[in-house]
Amino acid sequence: NAGVTQTPKFRILKIGQSMTLQCTQDMNHNYMYWYRQDPGMGLKLIYYSVGAGITDKGEVPNGYNVSRSTTEDFPLRLELAAPSQTSVYFCASTGSGRPYEQYFGPGTRLTVT
Amino acid sequence: AQKVTQAQTEISVVEKEDVTLDCVYETRDTTYYLFWYKQPPSGELVFLIRRNSFDEQNEISGRYSWNFQKSTSSFNFTITASQVVDSAVYFCALSEAGGATNKLIFGTGTLLAVQP
Repeated sequence: NAGVTQTPKFRILKIGQSMTLQCTQDMNHNYMYWYRQDPGMGLKLIYYSVGAGITDKGEVPNGYNVSRSTTEDFPLRLELAAPSQTSVYFCASTGSGRPYEQYFGPGTRLTVT
Repeated sequence: AQKVTQAQTEISVVEKEDVTLDCVYETRDTTYYLFWYKQPPSGELVFLIRRNSFDEQNEISGRYSWNFQKSTSSFNFTITASQVVDSAVYFCALSEAGGATNKLIFGTGTLLAVQP
């Protein structure tokens, strides 16, 4: 099992550009999450999904969109990138039922200039 | 509202010292889960432990031990005889127990630097 994979690892965007961060898991997990990690701020939840076709906002959803058409994939879309979106983005997944640990991808380091 | 506080932003110790990382949480749920994750300099997040609110027994795993006290809403993490490889950011996290979303609320993390 590859676990949770994310692409790209690094990306530099210009202000106003758009991009999609890819996330795939091969553990047949129903629950998937996107977090952003800013220096000294811990991880903040952007969006999450409890199954294919179901998504919901987390703590900091503004400027982002998600979709979940399959169990495996949970892409995060940035529209009109802003410097405030410079961060490290982590995708995670876990099984349904009682809270098990979340498995994290390696992260995507995004810089918006 | 749920909240996790890790008041220690940075801790520096010399190798072989013991060190305790503090975690204080707030929740109105009577059933909940607590987690610790490690983020080494390479950046990935590594799961260390999960604890449910009904199990207040302390846990020991090698040099790691965890002290869960519901009376003080704390879930502290102790590393005994620290090593340079323990240098990392450590996050405490809280999850609702209902299983509807399994969302995690993270603390801001504690950066542990172990000097040789």
